[in-house]
Amino acid sequence: DQQVKQNSPSLSVQEGRISILNCDYTNSMFDYFLWYKKYPAEGPTFLISISSIKDKNEDGRFTVFLNKSAKHLSLHIVPSQPGDSAVYFCAASARGNQFYFGTGTSLTVIP
Amino acid sequence: EAQVTQNPRYLITVTGKKLTVTCSQNMNHEYMSWYRQDPGLGLRQIYYSMNVEVTDKGDVPEGYKVSRKEKRNFPLILESPSPNQTSLYFCASSPGQPSPLHFGNGTRLTVT
Repeated sequence: DQQVKQNSPSLSVQEGRISILNCDYTNSMFDYFLWYKKYPAEGPTFLISISSIKDKNEDGRFTVFLNKSAKHLSLHIVPSQPGDSAVYFCAASARGNQFYFGTGTSLTVIP
Repeated sequence: EAQVTQNPRYLITVTGKKLTVTCSQNMNHEYMSWYRQDPGLGLRQIYYSMNVEVTDKGDVPEGYKVSRKEKRNFPLILESPSPNQTSLYFCASSPGQPSPLHFGNGTRLTVT
């Protein structure tokens, strides 16, 4: 049973606009959440994380929002750039032991 | 350069022929783990290790073995590969919990 879900397999956004990627989880024990970016033929690279004691974390153009009551996580990219085109995975962990990943959302930023 | 190195990058083998995929990290990380990526299923954890000589099953451990004799190495062993183990495999490490995983570049395995 998928404990972390990304329901949008793909997303297209115009350059300069906001990209919003969403993620839902089912396990209330998750206390650490991450977003990864993956280019073809490479391993996933870490983007940004958030612990369950916060509801927002920002790093440059990337902001992650956590809504614990809704068990929902989102990644905002502002402004979107063509180089952001990649597959994005959200992940969650309970005390850093096992990590559970979503199925990924393929983002295309159109110049 | 800090990195996680997997070898080989590509491997084609036949059913039942034992193989090992190596993984090494040069960051002195405590935690290491293996994942497989399949279309529509995302990344699923096979095994993880919190420290030397400590390993635990992830979500999909069947058909795989691991060992952690040294901190830097975490090989993935397929004793008798089957076609349903055809997949893209990633090794990852982290300093401990909670902290982000650093991934290798992947090993694409095909079992015929």
